[in-house]
Amino acid sequence: AQKITQTQPGMFVQEKEAVTLDCTYDTSDPSYGLFWYKQPSSGEMIFLIYQGSYDQQNATEGRYSLNFQKARKSANLVISASQLGDSAMYFCAMREDNFNKFYFGSGTKLNVKP
Amino acid sequence: EAQVTQNPRYLITVTGKKLTVTCSQNMNHEYMSWYRQDPGLGLRQIYYSMNVEVTDKGDVPEGYKVSRKEKRNFPLILESPSPNQTSLYFCASSLRPEVHNEQFFGPGTRLTVL
Repeated sequence: AQKITQTQPGMFVQEKEAVTLDCTYDTSDPSYGLFWYKQPSSGEMIFLIYQGSYDQQNATEGRYSLNFQKARKSANLVISASQLGDSAMYFCAMREDNFNKFYFGSGTKLNVKP
Repeated sequence: EAQVTQNPRYLITVTGKKLTVTCSQNMNHEYMSWYRQDPGLGLRQIYYSMNVEVTDKGDVPEGYKVSRKEKRNFPLILESPSPNQTSLYFCASSLRPEVHNEQFFGPGTRLTVL
């Protein structure tokens, strides 16, 4: 079974609007971490936000927030007030603490329209 | 400047010719990891290392070797490269994986095996 599933290969959003990128995960490890990374066309991987499995509150970092629904095993990224510079590939990732391994989803390509 | 460096950035080689991709970090990180990125598959972990002389297989270790003789370096070795190892490779490091620590990624190495 896939550890991380991102079901949206591509998305469009109008500049200044909010957008939600979906991510579901699969693990039996009670302790894990969830990450989102951004990969612009230049290729580098940029860390955006982190959520621990025991964190009670949803993580927020500026315009990024992580909508963590543990029972549903989902960790959606919400970008508020989209900017043209948000156009990039976005990857959801999970670290299983028992094994110290990382798993990435297949990514969502976001295009922000002016 | 805190960074992860990889060399070379681009490499074209032929089947069977041994090659090494170097990775070095200057942040005194314990955890280092190699990933390959392929279209539609996201990033997949090849090998990781918890510390000096401690390495472990990720999801796709076949055809690769690693070593961790010093804390700062984590080279990826392809003893006999094949065309299916054509990919974009990333090295990453973090302090310790089991606490909230983002992974810092290198700039990537684009490998083509003919």
